[in-house]
Amino acid sequence: GENVEQHPSTLSVQEGDSAVIKCTYSDSASNYFPWYKQELGKRPQLIIDIRSNVGEKKDQRIAVTLNKTAKHFSLHITETQPEDSAVYFCAASQYGNKLVFGAGTILRVKS
Amino acid sequence: SAVISQKPSRDICQRGTSLTIQCQVDSQVTMMFWYRQQPGQSLTLIATANQGSEATYESGFVIDKFPISRPNLTFSTLTVSNMSPEDSSIYLCSVHGTSGSYEQYFGPGTRLTVT
Repeated sequence: GENVEQHPSTLSVQEGDSAVIKCTYSDSASNYFPWYKQELGKRPQLIIDIRSNVGEKKDQRIAVTLNKTAKHFSLHITETQPEDSAVYFCAASQYGNKLVFGAGTILRVKS
Repeated sequence: SAVISQKPSRDICQRGTSLTIQCQVDSQVTMMFWYRQQPGQSLTLIATANQGSEATYESGFVIDKFPISRPNLTFSTLTVSNMSPEDSSIYLCSVHGTSGSYEQYFGPGTRLTVT
């Protein structure tokens, strides 16, 4: 079955800097890769996603890149703000069905 | 996206008892997913529930421990049976945003503590 690895487990950045979180997946049949942000005590929120027919997708300060050959995808957050502090999870699935999640990254943005 | 509610939002239960968690969606959905998030951990899929058929369980999860009902296209329940402290987790249901879409959205979760 699918296995998703996520790095780093924790990331501290200064406000205004960029943050990058990387994930690798094992199943070449996976074709949908969402990213979730989870604040303390709240549900995971979908912040951006990418399908395997696209190499990059951007939404304001966040972007996701996908390398199908290497089977890895990354989340990029630019101009980080304190409210970006949260746990971020990557996931992989086939056609949006069952999601297999990475272990999560705790992002701390220091002001 | 769909509006998802769960009941209860939290509960404290004694070991050996069972708790049924409800998930209600404001629109009809084909699949409903149940996930578990243990303290400080990631999310793990327990099972996928389709209306009118048996739920499909992931490796490590069995129907006797986590029976699921799916009586209609807007509602599902997950029961955590014969609970032990190791079952202390957040249980979340999720659904696709719209029919045919890939995006999944989560309910607010049920925080379960077993003493």
